[in-house]
Amino acid sequence: DQQVKQNSPSLSVQEGRISILNCDYTNSMFDYFLWYKKYPAEGPTFLISISSIKDKNEDGRFTVFLNKSAKHLSLHIVPSQPGDSAVYFCAASWGQGAQKLVFGQGTRLTINP
Amino acid sequence: ETGVTQSPTHLIKTRGQQVTLRCSSQSGHNTVSWYQQALGQGPQFIFQYYREEENGRGNFPPRFSGLQFPNYSSELNVNALELDDSALYLCASSLGQGVAANYGYTFGSGTRLTVV
Repeated sequence: DQQVKQNSPSLSVQEGRISILNCDYTNSMFDYFLWYKKYPAEGPTFLISISSIKDKNEDGRFTVFLNKSAKHLSLHIVPSQPGDSAVYFCAASWGQGAQKLVFGQGTRLTINP
Repeated sequence: ETGVTQSPTHLIKTRGQQVTLRCSSQSGHNTVSWYQQALGQGPQFIFQYYREEENGRGNFPPRFSGLQFPNYSSELNVNALELDDSALYLCASSLGQGVAANYGYTFGSGTRLTVV
């Protein structure tokens, strides 16, 4: 039962353009969403999060959009830089004091010079 | 401020054996969570420890067990290893029960376990 899905295993984008990573979820109880970035041989690093009471959160080059009716969120990276090449995971949790995150399978983003 | 450190980084075990993985949480963090990441998949929640007590468990059998020590470091023990236990095991620390809302977890680099 895959409650959080990232349907694109990989994405290739030219440097300077916009990268859009997508994530769908099935559990309507989720009320908090996070994006993590993972380089090889390192643990995932927190990138940006959004609460279900918002539809957009921005932090520098990174913006996360949440569409609750569609149970869909996306991460926009503008402009894309070579250092953004990594695996990106979306994750979700629910309830105050939630113990766990439910992760998607990840999308490998490659930024081409 | 030290991050999350895990040991060992790599490990090869034989089916049926037992393994212990170790994690030191980030300074100031009192909660440790363990995740299993199989190849090509996202991390899956195993369990969380808060103040030395198990504070939530995922869909893993009882042969997966853990401990948290007074200094908030933690161990993950797996008995009767199976081939499917081969994965990257990630430890994550945070402050307080639940997922740290603004900053999520701080993850370690993981232990790569191979069961042959």
